Amino acid sequence: AQSVTQLDSHVSVSEGTPVLLRCNYSSSYSPSLFWYVQHPNKGLQLLLKYTSAATLVKGINGFEAEFKKSETSFHLTKPSAHMSDAAEYFCVVSGSGGGADGLTFGKGTHLIIQP
Amino acid sequence: DTGVSQNPRHKITKRGQNVTFRCDPISEHNRLYWYRQTLGQGPEFLTYFQNEAQLEKSRLLSDRFSAERPKGSFSTLEIQRTEQGDSAMYLCASSAAGTGGYGYTFGSGTRLTVV
Repeated sequence: AQSVTQLDSHVSVSEGTPVLLRCNYSSSYSPSLFWYVQHPNKGLQLLLKYTSAATLVKGINGFEAEFKKSETSFHLTKPSAHMSDAAEYFCVVSGSGGGADGLTFGKGTHLIIQP
Repeated sequence: DTGVSQNPRHKITKRGQNVTFRCDPISEHNRLYWYRQTLGQGPEFLTYFQNEAQLEKSRLLSDRFSAERPKGSFSTLEIQRTEQGDSAMYLCASSAAGTGGYGYTFGSGTRLTVV
């Protein structure tokens, strides 16, 4: 079975400083990995996806993630945090969450941006 | 098309009552998924439909839960004899077959509170 572990439940950074949200995955084969963001009272939004085409994946709003097979990691980064980035972020793997293309979510990382 | 629509947005019910939620997917999407998200956790898969056929159900979906998608368009999720443990955000998502995990569009969810 596939799973993801988000290493931090909360991350706090100052506006304008880099963001790092950590995710490790477990998979018996090459996984499809995603990062989703959830703003309060809004639906989940796809930030970026890894599907083996390239190890460095660029997403929306300046976020990117690097797939490292040797470390079984898929960390999310952004060079400079903005107040609007404050939200809940989920690392997600596809394929074992039920249903064709079902998703298995991590527990989430709450990103806090300090002014 | 305005995306995936869920109604109601909020539902407060007394323990033991029945509740029903509705999801209207993106019209050209033939797959529809239900997820449940409890406080501090990532969404967990409940069930999914391809067209009108319910193809998979999670062990989380007790016999008090029933989902339908009668004409392969909108779906309903009913919870009978609600319990306080049913309090959660219920998320619906849709996708087109063959798009993989990156084809999901999530609704904003229905927040259920059982008192």
